[in-house]
Parts: sequence; C-alpha cells; structure tokens
Amino acid sequence: DSGVTQTPKHLITATGQRVTLRCSPRSGDLSVYWYQQSLDQGLQFLIQYYNGEERAKGNILERFSAQQFPDLHSELNLSSLELGDSALYFCASSVSAGTSYEQYFGPGTRLTVT
Amino acid sequence: AQTVTQSQPEMSVQEAETVTLSCTYDTSESDYYLFWYKQPPSRQMILVIRQEAYKQQNATENRFSVNFQKAAKSFSLKISDSQLGDAAMYFCAYRVFSTDKLIFGTGTRLQVFP
Repeated sequence: DSGVTQTPKHLITATGQRVTLRCSPRSGDLSVYWYQQSLDQGLQFLIQYYNGEERAKGNILERFSAQQFPDLHSELNLSSLELGDSALYFCASSVSAGTSYEQYFGPGTRLTVT
Repeated sequence: AQTVTQSQPEMSVQEAETVTLSCTYDTSESDYYLFWYKQPPSRQMILVIRQEAYKQQNATENRFSVNFQKAAKSFSLKISDSQLGDAAMYFCAYRVFSTDKLIFGTGTRLQVFP
C-alpha cells in the first residue's frame, strides 16, 4: 500500500458524459501527478500540481481538467467522454517538487466509456 | 524530447534463474533519474529501483540490480534468483529534470516458469 488513495476504483459511463476522479496523496505530500494508461498510448503523464498550483502539463486533452484543493487532494475532471478515453488513470504523489523525490502511485481508477 | 524504448515486449525465465530486461533512452540532459517500475496483475505501479545519472555506481536493491551505461544511454534491469512473484509488466521510466514528469517505455511482460 503506497498511501495514495483513489476513488472510485471502477467507473463505467457513456460517451458524452462527464466524470470526476479523486485522489488523496500520501500524508504530507505536496505534489500530485496524474497519468493515463491506455492500450493505444501506454503510460502518459497528464498533469502535475504542487501545493495547489499547476506545475507541469503533459498530453492532457482540453476536455480534461484538474485541480488540487487546499487539503491537497486532487480531482481530475473528464468531460465529453469518448470511447478512446477508456483507460486506467493513476494518481501519484511526492513529498515536494524536484527530481530527488520519489513518486508513489495509487491503485488507479479504471474508466470504461461505452 | 526525451524518449524511452523497451525493445522486448515479452521475456520469460525459469524460477531461480537470472533475467535481464533492456531499456534505452534518448535525452540531451546531463542530470536525470531513471526508474524501473513493476506492474503486477493488480495493476498497482510499484517502484523497483532508481538510478541517478550523476552516480557511476549501479543501483542495487536485493535481487534487483541495474546496468547503467550513460554514454550508451542504456539502463537494463537484472533480476537474480527469479521468483514466481516477479511475474509482471516492467516499465522503464525517465524523470525529466525540469518538470518532474515520468516518461515511460512500452513495458516488458515477464513470465516466470516453475
């Protein structure tokens, strides 16, 4: 158990819908990362937040957005869902920003778009 | 842009034997970190080992060790005394110095036979 929690574990929804994935980082971790793992694209970095502020952006679609709240939990919002958005979405956290800090991954949320 | 290549989609090994998983990467940075992550059927991402590019000494964690060749941009993982529990997908990852994001390879599926 990494200490990072993600809810829900599984999510099934229809095309065109909107969903919210939630992540609670390890206690004391200030940095949160979102990754997408799909059959087509493999594991891809989406976005990073550090202490409430966006720090880095990857291949995140405009239909997707994220935020980190004052209590440091983060949410990833996916809207106008398409079949291709079906994937495993991971959240990871680290103590701070900077390359010397390990990223610890949550168990992931499996999103299925039908 | 940095890239990570894992040229072995699948590998197999007999229990108690040794296996080496290959990884090459491309970067223009001089300072970075490299990682091997394990993803068992549970889909949890588990950090196996990490290597700092500025360190010449190869990292070792129990039965897991790396062969880091900076000039060749090669970062292979050696698993000694393989166990059934080592069966998983293994991902090589590069940590971008300026943004903290991880760039993953496509993974190698390791099967362990009794």
